[in-house]
Amino acid sequence: QQQVKQSPQSLIVQKGGISIINCAYENTAFDYFPWYQQFPGKGPALLIAIRPDVSEKKEGRFTISFNKSAKQFSLHIMDSQPGDSATYFCAADLNYGQNFVFGPGTRLSVLP
Amino acid sequence: SQTIHQWPATLVQPVGSPLSLECTVEGTSNPNLYWYRQAAGRGLQLLFYSVGIGQISSEVPQNLSASRPQDRQFILSSKKLLLSDSGFYLCAWRAGFNSPLHFGNGTRLTVT
Repeated sequence: QQQVKQSPQSLIVQKGGISIINCAYENTAFDYFPWYQQFPGKGPALLIAIRPDVSEKKEGRFTISFNKSAKQFSLHIMDSQPGDSATYFCAADLNYGQNFVFGPGTRLSVLP
Repeated sequence: SQTIHQWPATLVQPVGSPLSLECTVEGTSNPNLYWYRQAAGRGLQLLFYSVGIGQISSEVPQNLSASRPQDRQFILSSKKLLLSDSGFYLCAWRAGFNSPLHFGNGTRLTVT
């Protein structure tokens, strides 16, 4: 119940295309869902986050879509650029929880 | 603004040698502190977390230990390194429950 599933494991997208990464969870007590972006040799950086009281959040080219009934959330990267090539992690957090639960990550490659 | 410092950036140590990795956070007080390990191309494994000075919780029983001697200092240690301790070690902090997690830039440890 504490797992977060993430797919695909890897993703190749052409420049200008849309990248979509999906995550699913079981524990309905999760109430904070961030996405992290990690470049090689660097620590993960918070990209965008959402709480379950909204169905969508957009920041620039990055959008989180949240489906509370399906217990799923996804990251959409519009107009993908080679600079977006990185590993992306979804995560979930409990309001009273000590720790985040991370998905296994998706390696995104955007071809020029 | 808050910043997190982690050092060293890279470290090569022989099997059986001791280890000490240090992490400090600036610009906040009483943060929750975390140590994660990331194997090459893999996800984030939580090793230890701390909600206060002297309070350490271990997630995975292993060859490592952690200490929090000061409010904003978190140390990862080992008395005798194993080959399997190689990896990318990440320190992270957050202000409290249900708040974003912020990572340092990591230490690449190679045990030879």
